[in-house]
Amino acid sequence: SQKIEQNSEALNIQEGKTATLTCNYTNYSPAYLQWYRQDPGRGPVFLLLIRENEKEKRKERLKVTFDTTLKQSLFHITASQPADSATYLCALDLLFSGNTPLVFGKGTRLSVIA
Amino acid sequence: DGGITQSPKYLFRKEGQNVTLSCEQNLNHDAMYWYRQDPGQGLRLIYYSQIVNDFQKGDIAEGYSVSREKKESFPLTVTSAQKNPTAFYLCASSLTGSNQPQHFGDGTRLSIL
Repeated sequence: SQKIEQNSEALNIQEGKTATLTCNYTNYSPAYLQWYRQDPGRGPVFLLLIRENEKEKRKERLKVTFDTTLKQSLFHITASQPADSATYLCALDLLFSGNTPLVFGKGTRLSVIA
Repeated sequence: DGGITQSPKYLFRKEGQNVTLSCEQNLNHDAMYWYRQDPGQGLRLIYYSQIVNDFQKGDIAEGYSVSREKKESFPLTVTSAQKNPTAFYLCASSLTGSNQPQHFGDGTRLSIL
């Protein structure tokens, strides 16, 4: 069956450390993978997109990797801050029907402790 | 500012009632989406629309209906046939085609009285 899994429901780290979140999938062949941030009671906000032929993408303190052999994406936040505390969602972009509805993981709730 | 607006923020439904959730965008996006989010669950797609007057069922369309009469608007009706409607409903829009990020509203929380 098709599955998308984010490694843990919750992750606690100390301020200043690097947070690493994992997104694994099975029986999908995504052309792209997206990461979103969601704060409580709010809608998700797009952060980064990475294509299947890209190994790594960076934006400020954020870095995403995409390994289509391992069927895994890693999302890193360096020099983490309490303001980075949120739920982070990965989403597979499946490129069908002329549009690309996304398949979302359940998310990882990150807490950065001062 | 361009954006996507959902209203109301909170909505209460009595048993047997239909309720309609509003979603409006001024981003000039052709594609619009409705998701449902339950605690501990990912976003599940209810319906999506790529163009005016056309829409497709998502994974959990039963008990819901939509219309797309205008590019800017994509209302969702939760019918009495939806037996477990209590959830957080999110509307999103995007440009069509792959590799397009989705822009989300801030959701409507629906509860049953």
